[in-house]
Amino acid sequence: EDQVTQSPEALRLQEGESSSLNCSYTVSGLRGLFWYRQDPGKGPEFLFTLYSAGEEKEKERLKATLTKKESFLHITAPKPEDSATYLCALFSGGYNKLIFGAGTRLAVHP
Amino acid sequence: GAVVSQHPSRVICKSGTSVKIECRSLDFQATTMFWYRQFPKQSLMLMATSNEGSKATYEQGVEKDKFLINHASLTLSTLTVTSAHPEDSSFYICSARSSDLNEKLFFGSGTQLSVL
Repeated sequence: EDQVTQSPEALRLQEGESSSLNCSYTVSGLRGLFWYRQDPGKGPEFLFTLYSAGEEKEKERLKATLTKKESFLHITAPKPEDSATYLCALFSGGYNKLIFGAGTRLAVHP
Repeated sequence: GAVVSQHPSRVICKSGTSVKIECRSLDFQATTMFWYRQFPKQSLMLMATSNEGSKATYEQGVEKDKFLINHASLTLSTLTVTSAHPEDSSFYICSARSSDLNEKLFFGSGTQLSVL
């Protein structure tokens, strides 16, 4: 069964304190691993898609990496505005549906 | 980037009434739309997948007669929560996919439904 597991469930950082979020997955035939950011009361906002092991993508203070079993979202020198829930997702059953991990709730304090 | 518009953003209704939520893709044709439900501090759970012009495919445990989905055009899908009850209170989010956009899913801003 295709599955996405994220850790930690919640993460509290001081401003400037770098860290990483983990997304472990099992899927029969990866067709893209997605990272989204979700603010309270809003829909998910697309961040990255990774397709193959070894691939990396960056956007401002965020960098996403991918291996055959997991993906990491690295946050470098975070700011309070980076506080949000970060969701990992992948296509299950071919392109039929996008399934999500439970998310990591990130809080960055000044 | 592609825009998905979802309305209303918030609705409060009495138990027993029906509520319709609209999801529109504004600048692309959505061959497939998905409806998700999200409870507080939980992740998105897929409710159903709809393809334009055909019946929706519901996930296990989702009542078809309770959650009516219509995808009548390539830019519009609607979710109607029929005879809503307090346990239907949740955050509902739609997403749309176009094969022209590398199979990315773009999400609406969500609808917070509160049933009294």
